[in-house]
Amino acid sequence: NAGVTQTPKFRILKIGQSMTLQCTQDMNHNYMYWYRQDPGMGLKLIYYSVGAGITDKGEVPNGYNVSRSTTEDFPLRLELAAPSQTSVYFCASSYEGETEAFFGQGTRLTVV
Amino acid sequence: EDQVTQSPEALRLQEGESSSLNCSYTVSGLRGLFWYRQDPGKGPEFLFTLYSAGEEKEKERLKATLTKKESFLHITAPKPEDSATYLCAVHGYGGATNKLIFGTGTLLAVQP
Repeated sequence: NAGVTQTPKFRILKIGQSMTLQCTQDMNHNYMYWYRQDPGMGLKLIYYSVGAGITDKGEVPNGYNVSRSTTEDFPLRLELAAPSQTSVYFCASSYEGETEAFFGQGTRLTVV
Repeated sequence: EDQVTQSPEALRLQEGESSSLNCSYTVSGLRGLFWYRQDPGKGPEFLFTLYSAGEEKEKERLKATLTKKESFLHITAPKPEDSATYLCAVHGYGGATNKLIFGTGTLLAVQP
């Protein structure tokens, strides 16, 4: 099984550019999450979804947007990249709130 | 507001020197408390799920316990390969707490 797949693995953006981080899971999970992790820090929740068509803000949503049109896909959109968005981004999914989340390999984003 | 606090931030042990990591949490209704291990440059890897006070789970040198306010990850006779960041997360019930949030982690270094 592929599990949770994130693309790209690395990306350098210029200030003001836009991009979409892709996340796909093949486990038929209901819950999907986007986190960012800054050096030496834990995971901060950006956005999450409890099912197709439903999304909600996490702790640090400013500067990001998401959509969940299918169960499998949960893309994260950065509209106007800023240096403060330099971070490692992780996508995760779980079947329900009581079950463990599985993580992708991460996307390392640098905004210059 | 849901909150997860981990201590210590960093811990250095000699091989064979047992210790415990702490995770204090506040959540309005606990669906699950999760422990993850994260190695540098990788996504978190699931270790344990605990659901109710008094529950314990064990895996090799690791044992996780849960009370109504905190969880402990006990490491018995650690080896250098146990060196990693250990993350604690909670998932609450319904509404604004129906999401998975993480603590900042404990960076464990086990020296030979």
